[in-house]
Amino acid sequence: GENVEQHPSTLSVQEGDSAVIKCTYSDSASNYFPWYKQELGKRPQLIIDIRSNVGEKKDQRIAVTLNKTAKHFSLHITETQPEDSAVYFCAASGTTSGTYKYIFGTGTRLKVLA
Amino acid sequence: SAVISQKPSRDICQRGTSLTIQCQVDSQVTMMFWYRQQPGQSLTLIATANQGSEATYESGFVIDKFPISRPNLTFSTLTVSNMSPEDSSIYLCSVEGQINYGYTFGSGTRLTVV
Repeated sequence: GENVEQHPSTLSVQEGDSAVIKCTYSDSASNYFPWYKQELGKRPQLIIDIRSNVGEKKDQRIAVTLNKTAKHFSLHITETQPEDSAVYFCAASGTTSGTYKYIFGTGTRLKVLA
Repeated sequence: SAVISQKPSRDICQRGTSLTIQCQVDSQVTMMFWYRQQPGQSLTLIATANQGSEATYESGFVIDKFPISRPNLTFSTLTVSNMSPEDSSIYLCSVEGQINYGYTFGSGTRLTVV
């Protein structure tokens, strides 16, 4: 079945610096890659996503890149702020099984130091 | 995106008992998903619940332990049966998003089994 690896598990950056989180997936049929942010005690919230027919997508300070050949995708946060501190999860989804279930990565705890 | 009401938000239960978690969605959705998130861990899919058919369980999860109901397109329940301390976790329901939008999650149920 699908497997999603995520690195690093923890990441500390100074406020204003950039943060990059990387994921790899195993199922070449996966075609949708969302990223979720989960603050302590709260539900995961979708922050950005990308589909397999697109190589890059940007939304203000957040961008996601996808390399289908290598089965890699990455989250980039620029000009980090303390409120970016949270756990971030990548996920991969496809339709090989007929459902749109997500397989999540193991998560990255991002700390933005003021 | 859909709005999900999940309850209870938390509960403390005795081992050997069962707890039923409810999710109500404000719009009709074909698929609902139940996830488990153990403390400090990622989200693990338990099962996919489709209206009018039996739920599809992921490896390691069985219907006798986690029976699911899906009586209509806006509601689902997950029961955690014959609980043990190892079942202590956060349980989340989620629904497929609208076209070109990812999952929305319920607020989660924090279960502690003593």
